[in-house]
Amino acid sequence: GGIITQTPKFLIGQEGQKLTLKCQQNFNHDTMYWYRQDSGKGLRLIYYSITENDLQKGDLSEGYDASREKKSSFSLTVTSAQKNEMAVFLCASSMTSAETLYFGSGTRLTVL
Amino acid sequence: QQKVQQSPESLSVPEGGMASLNCTSSDRNFQYFWWYRQHSGEGPKALMSIFSDGDKKEGRFTAHLNKASLHVSLHIRDSQPSDSALYFCAASDLNSGGSNAKLTFGKGTKLSVKS
Repeated sequence: GGIITQTPKFLIGQEGQKLTLKCQQNFNHDTMYWYRQDSGKGLRLIYYSITENDLQKGDLSEGYDASREKKSSFSLTVTSAQKNEMAVFLCASSMTSAETLYFGSGTRLTVL
Repeated sequence: QQKVQQSPESLSVPEGGMASLNCTSSDRNFQYFWWYRQHSGEGPKALMSIFSDGDKKEGRFTAHLNKASLHVSLHIRDSQPSDSALYFCAASDLNSGGSNAKLTFGKGTKLSVKS
């Protein structure tokens, strides 16, 4: 088995601030993802990466940057935090892009 | 229009009872379906996938897919308080080969199992 670790668990930022969320996985999975979860809206894909140094935009990429520094880590940057951005950000990984997703427990973002 | 619609929004069943969750797609290209479960404070965890018409059973969980009606359901037999969680249906289309990058999630059904 493996685990996905997201840091921090809670993140409080100011409007307009640049904020970075981090994710590490020890499954040795190729593909990693960032999702945003808003209450009552399901999960929406922000960015994904099929291998180290690869980046692909999801449906919700505007206002975000991502970086896949190495196979085991994937970070997400909120370029300018907005108050309507308060949500839970979930990192996930899968062996290939068509196999079961494994999720971390999330980073809850609050923007003041 | 939401491409993956789940019903009901919330459901309460007694311990030991049967819980039935529904999911309907509005896109005929959706051929690959997943059920994920999320306990409070945790990330979602995959319960099962179903890609062919008919039933698929894993322990107390049975998924049923009818591609003609674009309907998939999840039935939980002998429900336990630990089954209380948010259940997501997710669908991916044929053209993407079932790629997670094209996975569309429903809004979820909140299940409460009362002891």
